[in-house]
Amino acid sequence: NAGVMQNPRHLVRRRGQEARLRCSPMKGHSHVYWYRQLPEEGLKFMVYLQKENIIDESGMPKERFSAEFPKEGPSILRIQQVVRGDSAAYFCASSQGFGNTEAFFGQGTRLTVV
Amino acid sequence: GESVGLHLPTLSVQEGDNSIINCAYSNSASDYFIWYKQESGKGPQFIIDIRSNMDKRQGQRVTVLLNKTVKHLSLQIAATQPGDSAVYFCAENEVSGGGADGLTFGKGTHLIIQP
Repeated sequence: NAGVMQNPRHLVRRRGQEARLRCSPMKGHSHVYWYRQLPEEGLKFMVYLQKENIIDESGMPKERFSAEFPKEGPSILRIQQVVRGDSAAYFCASSQGFGNTEAFFGQGTRLTVV
Repeated sequence: GESVGLHLPTLSVQEGDNSIINCAYSNSASDYFIWYKQESGKGPQFIIDIRSNMDKRQGQRVTVLLNKTVKHLSLQIAATQPGDSAVYFCAENEVSGGGADGLTFGKGTHLIIQP
């Protein structure tokens, strides 16, 4: 039973490019959460999605960031026109459902903007 | 705003000793708490959770204590081993309120095991 899979593990982008981060939840999990972690800090909630629905995006920056979780395929976190401040580790977590809140995390994608 | 925080950024203990990592939370509506362990370069790993209707929960070598009166959470690790070296985060959520927010994490405590 594979865990939460994120790819790529490392991503380097030049300022102004787009970054696409992918997350495949654990088998049987229909809830996906994205978090951002800056060095030496805790994780900050960004967005919570179910299949084809954004449930809560209160932690998402208002511009350049978007997320989706299509009916088929992985969840995608998309960052347009990246800036140096976007450099961070981005983690995805999944859970079986609301109320069953034991969330399992992936290994993360480390984004570096040069 | 509401946040979860930890008292100490770094905790150093001797191998074989017991460790206690503390966490204070400010959202009185929080009713679900989790401890995560994060090793360098890896994602957070679930250790143990506790709901607000409990004061104590035990796992393998770990115990979580919840004091709702003072909004304090602690993680006790018995007989620490070198593999316990990591950053430990507490996280909380308000499940019963129907909120759909993700977990709120504290900054983390770096546990260092001395040989």
